[in-house]
Amino acid sequence: GAVVSQHPSWVICKSGTSVKIECRSLDFQATTMFWYRQFPKQSLMLMATSNEGSKATYEQGVEKDKFLINHASLTLSTLTVTSAHPEDSSFYICSTKGARGPYFGPGTRLTVT
Amino acid sequence: DAKTTQPNSMESNEEEPVHLPCNHSTISGTDYIHWYRQLPSQGPEYVIHGLTSNVNNRMASLAIAEDRKSSTLILHRATLRDAAVYYCILLEGGSEKLVFGKGTKLTVNP
Repeated sequence: GAVVSQHPSWVICKSGTSVKIECRSLDFQATTMFWYRQFPKQSLMLMATSNEGSKATYEQGVEKDKFLINHASLTLSTLTVTSAHPEDSSFYICSTKGARGPYFGPGTRLTVT
Repeated sequence: DAKTTQPNSMESNEEEPVHLPCNHSTISGTDYIHWYRQLPSQGPEYVIHGLTSNVNNRMASLAIAEDRKSSTLILHRATLRDAAVYYCILLEGGSEKLVFGKGTKLTVNP
């Protein structure tokens, strides 16, 4: 099955700075990837759909200028949290297509101080 | 998106079978039933999926009602490593976009 990696696995940054999270599909070319966010004790919330070679599509209520998504190749999508604030602290997870259905990365824990 | 309803939590004893129910009364003919589970601080893990017939794999079995309005994930012998949140999700055929509900938190007692 598809293997999906994320980097970094965790990151701590100061308020006002930007953080980039990478999602890689290791053995499957992914024209589409998905980004989710999960707050403590809550379910995953879909943020956006990352489309290779074109603009991402964002779910309602997600600020596209704050969460920049770039999908420049078939194996890499990046999510940049710009001007991060403590309320952006969350667990960010990406997913991509696999043989049996979507596969998920291990997640990135972002803490904004 | 079609929605699913699951109990918030369930409890089981180690080495006993576990039946996790899911209701999806608004399922459409092209929706696949997918189950994922999530351990703490990890990304969701694929468990099993099916369309109409019951399915078995090394992790679990999926029993689908004849009218497809409900399904049950069966863990034949629960282990402590099976303690997780289990999500039942409907996925339209060909789609990759999963919409998560609240899931069922399974506790396995030693």
